[in-house]
Amino acid sequence: GEDVEQSLFLSVREGDSSVINCTYTDSSSTYLYWYKQEPGAGLQLLTYIFSNMDMKQDQRLTVLLNKKDKHLSLRIADTQTGDSAIYFCAALEGSGTYKYIFGTGTRLKVLA
Amino acid sequence: EAGVTQFPSHSVIEKGQTVTLRCDPISGHDNLYWYRRVMGKEIKFLLHFVKESKQDESGMPNNRFLAERTGGTYSTLKVQPAELEDSGVYFCASSQDGNYNEQFFGPGTRLTVL
Repeated sequence: GEDVEQSLFLSVREGDSSVINCTYTDSSSTYLYWYKQEPGAGLQLLTYIFSNMDMKQDQRLTVLLNKKDKHLSLRIADTQTGDSAIYFCAALEGSGTYKYIFGTGTRLKVLA
Repeated sequence: EAGVTQFPSHSVIEKGQTVTLRCDPISGHDNLYWYRRVMGKEIKFLLHFVKESKQDESGMPNNRFLAERTGGTYSTLKVQPAELEDSGVYFCASSQDGNYNEQFFGPGTRLTVL
């Protein structure tokens, strides 16, 4: 089955760009997602990318997908303190159901 | 529009006791999912309902876990008897159909088994 991996921590300075990386194993995953979890809150969908796309941009967020290397990244431009949260990468496992396979989450800390 | 709600937000029980978690999906969402995050690890899928039917329960850890969704509205997840390794955050999510549509997550229930 699908396996998704992420690094656990990332620390950046306010105003810098953040890049959160994710790798996955199942090349048949059709959709890949980035969710954000702030303290005490549920998971909020930030963006998603379809597997036939290489890049998707949405305001300060840029998602890059390298299908050959099964590598997904989320770039946050001009990172703000409000971006401090846990970011989860998830792959849609479409083998008969539509469950998400999540990574461990990357805790982003933005330093003022 | 109300989001996915979960109750309680936090539960502390002793090993061997029973706990029931509740999830109210977004109105009109036929698909309801349960996930669990244990000790800072990845969020793992538990099961998926389509209306009142269990579509996929491949992620349920063992028979101490029982999920129901009577009437196809809210869902409950009962753990009986609870063990220490059941501690974690239990998330519920709902979606409008079973395709790529976004799954909307609730805030989670933090379960602590002592």
